[in-house]
Amino acid sequence: DIVMTQSPDSLAVSLGERATINCKSSQSVLYNSDNKNYLAWYQQKPGQPPKLLIYWASTRESGVPDRFSGSGSGTDFTLTISSLQAEDVAVYYCQQYYSTPDTFGQGTKLEIK
Amino acid sequence: QVQLQESGPGLVKPSQTLSLTCTVSGGSISSGSHYWNWIRQPAGKGLEWIGRIYTSGSTRYNPSLKSRVTISVDTSKNQFSLKLSSVTAADTAVYYCASGITAINYFDYWGQGTPVTVSS
Repeated sequence: DIVMTQSPDSLAVSLGERATINCKSSQSVLYNSDNKNYLAWYQQKPGQPPKLLIYWASTRESGVPDRFSGSGSGTDFTLTISSLQAEDVAVYYCQQYYSTPDTFGQGTKLEIK
Repeated sequence: QVQLQESGPGLVKPSQTLSLTCTVSGGSISSGSHYWNWIRQPAGKGLEWIGRIYTSGSTRYNPSLKSRVTISVDTSKNQFSLKLSSVTAADTAVYYCASGITAINYFDYWGQGTPVTVSS
């Protein structure tokens, strides 16, 4: 199984400031034949299901604000929120869909400082 | 837009079989555009993919659960189902159904989730 490790486990950021969450996979999730990274990011608010934010490591899902961006390749990835809003308080998960079983990171809890 | 809704018992006794159903609306489960997944989340913990079923009826399961899991589809009802046998307290979780785009498997639509407790 590919192990996904996120850092930090929790993060407190001031409103309007940048938030950065990291995700590292135990093996590359870059598929050479299509040069795509099989990596997605989700946001989960309390009592709600996860919501897809980003796929292919950097493609925003329709309707996701452009303050959310994803970057990285191979084994190291980053989710950045450029200017934190109050509604961004949530737990964020990365997921690899390169190989079965699909696996998730342990989650990063984002709070307001 | 696809919508998913889980249903099933909220309480299951140890050693028994957990059975859940996911009803899909806003699209045909047999269209071929999506795979159909089950994912679970113990309280306060992370997400675990359980398995998925393809339009063809073929399945893939998480090896950690494979011996106890069966996922099936009922195209006439636009539903797919999860059966997890020989449950223990460790199977207590919120169970989600989710869709994944065919040939890719990030999860684009999710149900609201249904909590299941394993207890006597």
